[in-house]
Amino acid sequence: AQSVTQLGSHVSVSEGALVLLRCNYSSSVPPYLFWYVQYPNQGLQLLLKYTSAATLVKGINGFEAEFKKSETSFHLTKPSAHMSDAAEYFCAVRLLTSGTYKYIFGTGTRLKVLA
Amino acid sequence: GAGVSQTPSNKVTEKGKYVELRCDPISGHTALYWYRQSLGQGPEFLIYFQGTGAADDSGLPNDRFFAVRPEGSVSTLKIQRTERGDSAVYLCASSLLGENTEAFFGQGTRLTVV
Repeated sequence: AQSVTQLGSHVSVSEGALVLLRCNYSSSVPPYLFWYVQYPNQGLQLLLKYTSAATLVKGINGFEAEFKKSETSFHLTKPSAHMSDAAEYFCAVRLLTSGTYKYIFGTGTRLKVLA
Repeated sequence: GAGVSQTPSNKVTEKGKYVELRCDPISGHTALYWYRQSLGQGPEFLIYFQGTGAADDSGLPNDRFFAVRPEGSVSTLKIQRTERGDSAVYLCASSLLGENTEAFFGQGTRLTVV
């Protein structure tokens, strides 16, 4: 089955430290991969998406992700965490099944930023 | 509006009642999705519309759930004989058609069945 796996349901980092949120996908075809962020009581906001034009994708708010086919990974990073980064992050893959596209989400990683 | 709009933002209903949740997608977006998000979980796919037709309803949990999009724009998710287990945030998203488009999400409707 094609899906995404997010390792670590909770991650805590100190303000200013590196943020690394892990996502692995299971797919036999080039995937369409996304990272979304969800702030409390809000919907999902797109951070970045993999377009196959470049393996290193830059997104909003200083986040970036690197597509590594050999590792089937699409980990999200940010060099320096800010308090405002505290939120839940979801990795997603867009799949074509039975002629239609659907987005499949991971279970999410809640990021906590410590002062 | 510029984004996906969902109404109501919160809905409390009694067990056994019928509810309707509304989604106004971004203008021009042919694709529309409904997802359900339970506490501590990622969004789970319910149904996908391409235009007016439900192209994939494989995620609807049972026949108490139904969704329509009669004019290819606004969609309504309908839940009959609600159960406490239906309590969740229901998210709507819309997108353009195409291989590498992203979905834009509304803020969701928090449904609580008491």
